[in-house]
Amino acid sequence: NAGVTQTPKFRILKIGQSMTLQCTQDMNHNYMYWYRQDPGMGLKLIYYSVGAGITDKGEVPNGYNVSRSTTEDFPLRLELAAPSQTSVYFCASIQWTGREELFFGEGSRLTVL
Amino acid sequence: DAKTTQPPSMDCAEGRAANLPCNHSTISGNEYVYWYRQIHSQGPQYIIHGLKNNETNEMASLIITEDRKSSTLILPHATLRDTAVYYCIVGDFGNEKLTFGTGTRLTIIP
Repeated sequence: NAGVTQTPKFRILKIGQSMTLQCTQDMNHNYMYWYRQDPGMGLKLIYYSVGAGITDKGEVPNGYNVSRSTTEDFPLRLELAAPSQTSVYFCASIQWTGREELFFGEGSRLTVL
Repeated sequence: DAKTTQPPSMDCAEGRAANLPCNHSTISGNEYVYWYRQIHSQGPQYIIHGLKNNETNEMASLIITEDRKSSTLILPHATLRDTAVYYCIVGDFGNEKLTFGTGTRLTIIP
């Protein structure tokens, strides 16, 4: 039972490049979330999903896209990377009818130059 | 917008009880109060949650006021390893949009 796994852990992008942050959970959780955390700041919700095929915007969705084709996977795509997207990205999942604990991945540190 | 308000920072002497307040005046009847903490740049770690009654586990105690508009997380005997940012959030099954505020940076002083 690996929990929530994020890849890559570190990445440097050039302005205008695109990339996908991968997130997989093996706990059969129905809800999944993507957050970003800028240096010295709290977590901001980017997108979330309440189940396969269903996604919704969070507080800061601009510049990002998500999909949820399976229960396990919730990738976050950055199109046309900008310096303002330099941040640490956290994926999380929860099973609301269970223990109701939000499980986080280890984070993906992205730098856009 | 975050639904909770917390002081930006607090200090506590090692071995003493750390009491972290949280205001959630707009909480609805079926929303729980959750506490998480983040050590350095790691992913946040679950501490405790509650609905109406006070709760206690091996890590902490949670005191929720009778009107549920505020709560206090208590770390009974703070250690240096409790230095972290502590987040108070509210949510329930019908409120999937879990948002974090800016949290309280707790520093345990030797």
